[in-house]
Amino acid sequence: GAGVSQSPSNKVTEKGKDVELRCDPISGHTALYWYRQSLGQGLEFLIYFQGNSAPDKSGLPSDRFSAERTGGSVSTLTIQRTQQEDSAVYLCASSDREFSSGNTIYFGEGSWLTVV
Amino acid sequence: AQKITQTQPGMFVQEKEAVTLDCTYDTSDQSYGLFWYKQPSSGEMIFLIYQGSYDEQNATEGRYSLNFQKARKSANLVISASQLGDSAMYFCAMREGLHTGTASKLTFGTGTRLQVTL
Repeated sequence: GAGVSQSPSNKVTEKGKDVELRCDPISGHTALYWYRQSLGQGLEFLIYFQGNSAPDKSGLPSDRFSAERTGGSVSTLTIQRTQQEDSAVYLCASSDREFSSGNTIYFGEGSWLTVV
Repeated sequence: AQKITQTQPGMFVQEKEAVTLDCTYDTSDQSYGLFWYKQPSSGEMIFLIYQGSYDEQNATEGRYSLNFQKARKSANLVISASQLGDSAMYFCAMREGLHTGTASKLTFGTGTRLQVTL
């Protein structure tokens, strides 16, 4: 596709349920990022996939959060046993030409998660 | 220590005037990139401008320019001829480890909310 695609765009779930958020990066982009943005706040890094290297999971807030990237393309962020504090916008981004000086990182429109 | 510091939580500017949004950063890397993003109320993150640490010239993109002062570790965004549509949240971000095979995540500041007035 032309841009980073995320689904669902909106998700309301009950506390304690699991949710999966999907990200389809720009074709050919080797790097993929997940961020979380709570209402009125800045962006909180969650996880970063870089080609075939082991992902940087240093931002995942708890073991309820996990992410996979299959075939170097689509990624799924899974939140198990959701809590109300998980309510936020989950933003995915991708970039190309990993080690060049002119690369830019493009964001999807986000998945708005509300835990009730 | 904060990697990216944006000290202005909110700014006002009159239409057609120029405005500078401040950003300072902290890194020990020699090779890094600095980014500015705009986030309107719709929530999307819009890439505005990029400055590489080895770039000798300040980056410019239309009405946006980046005042890069490497020794002071500052990367201020200048918006010229402000328009009502420029009202949004603006985030400064940094990516360390470029050119070294260890390029890392993008680290964001807390943002500055810009309001353009008539």
